[in-house]
Amino acid sequence: DTGVSQDPRHKITKRGQNVTFRCDPISEHNRLYWYRQTLGQGPEFLTYFQNEAQLEKSRLLSDRFSAERPKGSFSTLEIQRTEQGDSAMYLCASSFGLADTQYFGPGTRLTVL
Amino acid sequence: GESVGLHLPTLSVQEGDNSIINCAYSNSASDYFIWYKQESGKGPQFIIDIRSNMDKRQGQRVTVLLNKTVKHLSLQIAATQPGDSAVYFCAENRPAENQGGKLIFGQGTELSVKP
Repeated sequence: DTGVSQDPRHKITKRGQNVTFRCDPISEHNRLYWYRQTLGQGPEFLTYFQNEAQLEKSRLLSDRFSAERPKGSFSTLEIQRTEQGDSAMYLCASSFGLADTQYFGPGTRLTVL
Repeated sequence: GESVGLHLPTLSVQEGDNSIINCAYSNSASDYFIWYKQESGKGPQFIIDIRSNMDKRQGQRVTVLLNKTVKHLSLQIAATQPGDSAVYFCAENRPAENQGGKLIFGQGTELSVKP
């Protein structure tokens, strides 16, 4: 399967714990995006990378959130000191270029108890 | 403002009928639009896209229409099948505004196909 993959698919954690999600984009895609989706809503942009450079962060991304793409391939999204409001589906997408189609992964469903 | 919205939150159609899902956008500078299909528990799946220099684009059983005058976008699905049941999102991409190509999604329309 050469699509976008995400791991884990589901994560249940207690409030205050740290969690880390991984995204593997389609190979050769330069751009990688993170979105968050809550129930009944469309995905909301969090941040994106062009190769290893993080070029934009949404104001939704508080200082508890950090994302990396160290080698310009896979990316990680870490949430520190999780809160119940962080419960959501975290989606990753990749594209070849700026105005190219973004292809999404299956998402990581986070539940914070 | 920055919003992409949908006219109807739910749409129920009979199998075999055609479906039309509508979307309104507010930013006239938008130059690229995408329709995604999302099934329960899965990520959005690309269906079809259209750029602002076009007013119609066809795919397999799907057609997207763009009316820039009234800032309206629609997705037409021909001969709707049970497998088409899902939530459909339109999304707006404004790379021309140097926003990095991020997508702005509407709330979604849930399509239910009755056998």
